[in-house]
Amino acid sequence: SAVISQKPSRDICQRGTSLTIQCQVDSQVTMMFWYRQQPGQSLTLIATANQGSEATYESGFVIDKFPISRPNLTFSTLTVSNMSPEDSSIYLCSVGPGIGYTFGSGTRLTVV
Amino acid sequence: DAKTTQPPSMDCAEGRAANLPCNHSTISGNEYVYWYRQIHSQGPQYIIHGLKNNETNEMASLIITEDRKSSTLILPHATLRDTAVYYCIVRVGGGGATNKLIFGTGTLLAVQP
Repeated sequence: SAVISQKPSRDICQRGTSLTIQCQVDSQVTMMFWYRQQPGQSLTLIATANQGSEATYESGFVIDKFPISRPNLTFSTLTVSNMSPEDSSIYLCSVGPGIGYTFGSGTRLTVV
Repeated sequence: DAKTTQPPSMDCAEGRAANLPCNHSTISGNEYVYWYRQIHSQGPQYIIHGLKNNETNEMASLIITEDRKSSTLILPHATLRDTAVYYCIVRVGGGGATNKLIFGTGTLLAVQP
């Protein structure tokens, strides 16, 4: 299965600023997914990112707040824009297709 | 994708079998049952999946009822390292499918020494 490197692993950011999270995969993958996991909660899908096309966002998530890039088949970024304390969460990328989708170890974001 | 219902938490004694139930009464004929787990501070890990037959791999067994409205994940000999949140997910397609995973609330399994 694919190996994912997600950076940064954690960060503390000031409200009103933006953070870009990187997801690097060791092999070419068709689908990349971005999730948010708020403290004590399950994972919520933010968007699906296919190479060469615009990301598809889930209900409640918008491109202005969470812009995503997918420049090639091994890399994607998620930006959390104009952050507020409510954005404090773990952000995870995942890749497919495959029987068992692979997840990165996540980026733990704290907004102060 | 069909919705799943799981108990919020369960306990299991170390060395005993852990049986985690999942209800998916609205599952469609082309939807598979998947199980993932998330150990604290890590990304989710794939465990097993099945369509209608029972499945077994090195990690666990999956028992799906004949009407496919529920399933049970069995960890045959639970260890302390199996303490995690276990997610039951139904989605269209098996290996090679590109459908997104939608996570429910899961079951927190606590393996006790």
